[in-house]
Amino acid sequence: EAGVVQSPRYKIIEKKQPVAFWCNPISGHNTLYWYRQNLGQGPELLIRYENEEAVDDSQLPKDRFSAERLKGVDSTLKIQPAELGDSAVYLCASSTTSGNLYNEQFFGPGTRLTVL
Amino acid sequence: GQNIDQPTEMTATEGAIVQINCTYQTSGFNGLFWYQQHAGEAPTFLSYNVLDGLEEKGRFSSFLSRSKGYSYLLLKELQMKDSASYLCAVRDRNGGYNKLIFGAGTRLAVHP
Repeated sequence: EAGVVQSPRYKIIEKKQPVAFWCNPISGHNTLYWYRQNLGQGPELLIRYENEEAVDDSQLPKDRFSAERLKGVDSTLKIQPAELGDSAVYLCASSTTSGNLYNEQFFGPGTRLTVL
Repeated sequence: GQNIDQPTEMTATEGAIVQINCTYQTSGFNGLFWYQQHAGEAPTFLSYNVLDGLEEKGRFSSFLSRSKGYSYLLLKELQMKDSASYLCAVRDRNGGYNKLIFGAGTRLAVHP
């Protein structure tokens, strides 16, 4: 079974440029998460989707970040414009229905973003 | 608020045993996870505790005390490949949804 797929793996851009990350979750997983992981820190949730609905986007900086999951499968996270402080690893994860007592999240390899 | 504390770094010797502690404060505790993350790779699931006590899984065990807000991950018969970051994550149930809150991670270095 394929795991969570993310692309690109690495991205280097100049500040004020736009950037987009793509994620394809594990087949059958209806919950999708985007996390940001700064160097030496744990992942921090940006947004969570249940199917195509964003059920928790309280930590998403909405002035420059946006996300979509139009058909409830793959998802795109966008930053426009990027700032120096956005340099981090952006992780996508997926799981089965979040209401279950035990719903392990499976993580993708992440996209390492460097903003110059 | 929510707070998770774990040591920043630990070192240990191949073949030895190491215990990584995690303390947490959360309002809607609904389980605790341990993840392993090798440098430049995705976090991978190690263990899950929701009730007090010890969960054993091969060389890895995890303990939980909900009354003390405390967990530890025990790694036995350490191997070089165990050098990684170990992330403690608490599942917090608030507003009807579960949310995973991660600690900063403990970087473990295993030496020969």
